[in-house]
Amino acid sequence: EPEVTQTPSHQVTQMGQEVILRCVPISNHLYFYWYRQILGQKVEFLVSFYNNEISEKSEIFDDQFSVERPDGSNFTLKIRSTKLEDSAMYFCASSERRYGYTFGSGTRLTVV
Amino acid sequence: ELKVEQNPLFLSMQEGKNYTIYCNYSTTSDRLYWYRQDPGKSLESLFVLLSNGAVKQEGRLMASLDTKARLSTLHITAAVHDLSATYFCAVEGNAGNMLTFGGGTRLMVKP
Repeated sequence: EPEVTQTPSHQVTQMGQEVILRCVPISNHLYFYWYRQILGQKVEFLVSFYNNEISEKSEIFDDQFSVERPDGSNFTLKIRSTKLEDSAMYFCASSERRYGYTFGSGTRLTVV
Repeated sequence: ELKVEQNPLFLSMQEGKNYTIYCNYSTTSDRLYWYRQDPGKSLESLFVLLSNGAVKQEGRLMASLDTKARLSTLHITAAVHDLSATYFCAVEGNAGNMLTFGGGTRLMVKP
């Protein structure tokens, strides 16, 4: 069964550093998403991406965050200057249509 | 703003018992999802409910959607230990393109 692949599985970074989280969506999917889950809390929407542009973003997705699809297969989330409160599990998801989401296994980001 | 509430937040039950998890949401939507999450793992899709009155069943789990009441239920029949996990409902807004999750129900099934 096709899956969404995320790397790395765990990243530890110093506060103020930039991090890039990587995702390879399912190949025929057109819609891409990032969600995050702070430990023990609910899953929160960050951003959706379609046709090479952001289609929706939440209040969490401020100027520190950016997304990119650099080469037609990868989908990345960049956090420019990490804060302690950015520590969370980040999930990438993709969908073929505007429903039916497949989530990746997640990247656990720890900011120290 | 779409709000999604689940209850209970925590459920401890004995094997063999039945129970229902409830998911209420605040604005009109025709699409509701149920996911299972094991500790430290990703979100496993259980059900996608796409219309009013939709009912889906897989093994000991059955999900239903009442869009008029803005309510979905996840019913567990004759629970087994392997069902222990956190269950999330998620609602897609009418504009599509994003999911709003409930707070999750942590289910523990005791042997």
